[in-house]
Amino acid sequence: GQQLNQSPQSMFIQEGEDVSMNCTSSSIFNTWLWYKQEPGEGPVLLIALYKAGELTSNGRLTAQFGITRKDSFLNISASIPSDVGIYFCAGHPLPNSGGSNYKLTFGKGTLLTVNP
Amino acid sequence: DGGITQSPKYLFRKEGQNVTLSCEQNLNHDAMYWYRQDPGQGLRLIYYSQIVNDFQKGDIAEGYSVSREKKESFPLTVTSAQKNPTAFYLCASSKTYNEQFFGPGTRLTVL
Repeated sequence: GQQLNQSPQSMFIQEGEDVSMNCTSSSIFNTWLWYKQEPGEGPVLLIALYKAGELTSNGRLTAQFGITRKDSFLNISASIPSDVGIYFCAGHPLPNSGGSNYKLTFGKGTLLTVNP
Repeated sequence: DGGITQSPKYLFRKEGQNVTLSCEQNLNHDAMYWYRQDPGQGLRLIYYSQIVNDFQKGDIAEGYSVSREKKESFPLTVTSAQKNPTAFYLCASSKTYNEQFFGPGTRLTVL
């Protein structure tokens, strides 16, 4: 099946630093989604991307849909303690890749820790 | 407010017992999903339903069953055939096949 490689697996940073994480796939995706999950809670959708090259911001968060359609990046600027959590990328592969349009493929997440 | 509710938040069961997890949404979404999350494993799809009275197996359906009798509801039964049922279970819904929105999750512990 489809797999997404998300990196890094974990990050430990100081408050105020910028953060960058990415997701790559061996096949083409037509949608990229970024979620944040806090301990014991469900993931919350942060940003959705639908076009190659698209760059979208949500406050201090910025995400990009890679030109090759095989990757996506999430950047967090000026991190604060409440940014702590697990960040997941997810995406829809192209329909002709053999999967259902409704099935999302998830990365394994990036655990972010922010030191005040 | 519109959203997805899952109940209960914590559930304890004895080994060998079936247990049903509730998921309700009032977002008027057509599609609903069940995921299992284990530490370090990310999210794995158990079942999904694109429309009422229809559902498909996901990647790890063995030992689980679902029903979709109403658009708003998609309950998941963890049967005694599931060999390692202790996990965090997440329900999600979507209007189309794009953005999925998640509930708060149910943590199931089998003793």
